[in-house]
Amino acid sequence: ETGVTQTPRHLVMGMTNKKSLKCEQHLGHNAMYWYKQSAKKPLELMFVYNFKEQTENNSVPSRFSPECPNSSHLFLHLHTLQPEDSALYLCASSQDGEGGAGELFFGEGSRLTVL
Amino acid sequence: GQNIDQPTEMTATEGAIVQINCTYQTSGFNGLFWYQQHAGEAPTFLSYNVLDGLEEKGRFSSFLSRSKGYSYLLLKELQMKDSASYLCAVLDSNYQLIWGAGTKLIIKP
Repeated sequence: ETGVTQTPRHLVMGMTNKKSLKCEQHLGHNAMYWYKQSAKKPLELMFVYNFKEQTENNSVPSRFSPECPNSSHLFLHLHTLQPEDSALYLCASSQDGEGGAGELFFGEGSRLTVL
Repeated sequence: GQNIDQPTEMTATEGAIVQINCTYQTSGFNGLFWYQQHAGEAPTFLSYNVLDGLEEKGRFSSFLSRSKGYSYLLLKELQMKDSASYLCAVLDSNYQLIWGAGTKLIIKP
């Protein structure tokens, strides 16, 4: 079993759909992240949760809504997305604390296509 | 603004050595990280430098010069499985990772 698991791996949705991405980590970490990865661009940090509290929201449009019910689970709720939102969405976790913040453990990603 | 620069793509031959450079300008510095990402897979942590100098880990080494805002990842005895993207990232003063766009490394037989 991998340390960070994401579902679904692939998702195709229309602009009016509502869907959710799920992430689960089995590493005992207290920090969890959502990243967006687009071709030939740097990873874009979307949200950070430390001990279930959201500590970062990098000006992400409200059509993306995160939820962190506990330190092992993270969701990204998607609503009325745009075609430019098509990308690979990566979940990651790390040990809490400043020193651990750079060593991230990533899930395999959810490849999202918005039609 | 904060910026990480690395070459978009490099090509090398199996068995050879390749050096991937990374330069950075960030608000503060709390360490530099290299990640490997195979096509269609998740990034995986490779190395961490916080002090100047060379860190060696098997066939891979990473170098840091904080005064120059410069790092490189050195891969020796290249194997076909080393074909991947290599991501450079800096932990800034807010302990947030600032990422480069990645270097796609192509290994030829």
